[in-house]
Amino acid sequence: GAVVSQHPSRVICKSGTSVKIECRSLDFQATTMFWYRQFPKQSLMLMATSNEGSKATYEQGVEKDKFLINHASLTLSTLTVTSAHPEDSSFYICSARGVGLAGGNNYEQYFGPGTRLTVT
Amino acid sequence: GNSVTQMEGPVTLSEEAFLTINCTYTATGYPSLFWYVQYPGEGLQLLLKATKADDKGSNKGFEATYRKETTSFHLEKGSVQVSDSAVYFCALSDPGFGNEKLTFGTGTRLTIIP
Repeated sequence: GAVVSQHPSRVICKSGTSVKIECRSLDFQATTMFWYRQFPKQSLMLMATSNEGSKATYEQGVEKDKFLINHASLTLSTLTVTSAHPEDSSFYICSARGVGLAGGNNYEQYFGPGTRLTVT
Repeated sequence: GNSVTQMEGPVTLSEEAFLTINCTYTATGYPSLFWYVQYPGEGLQLLLKATKADDKGSNKGFEATYRKETTSFHLEKGSVQVSDSAVYFCALSDPGFGNEKLTFGTGTRLTIIP
């Protein structure tokens, strides 16, 4: 249980285009989802926290108009990188926390496998 | 702010060797501490955790003890296996509610050779 998927796993896009990344909780309801960004040989940096049905809370320094987050249902959150540029190339990872988990562990974050974005 | 510093890799060991991956932290309050593992092609998985000073987290033969006096949470395993090859992340959570807003270290890639 507690599986989180991401789609796509890899995407290459041209500079100036927008890319959407999906994060799904497959066997539980995700009341909160987190989006992280990981640069090579660096730690995961939290970008934003989203609660189902409300606006995402962005970390300091993250452009909310560039990284659009939608958490419209209890099993799906999307991250859209708008007008992507080469400096947006990175590894994006989502995690989910929610209800309906075995053992009642509703506070642990469950991570997706990540999406590698390359902007050319 | 909060920060986590962990041993840079990569680390390469022979099977059955003893493993230590160092992790130290800086936090303003009393954080919970975690070790996550990422196997090739998979998402991060919680390996173990400790929520207060002197707690020892353990799982799959791995252990780590929350040392408040040295602000450390070093990961250890007495005899590693090839299947332990992965990237290991030390992390802490902001004091307070659950483990929201994790702060991660840079990750340590571990390779175990037969």
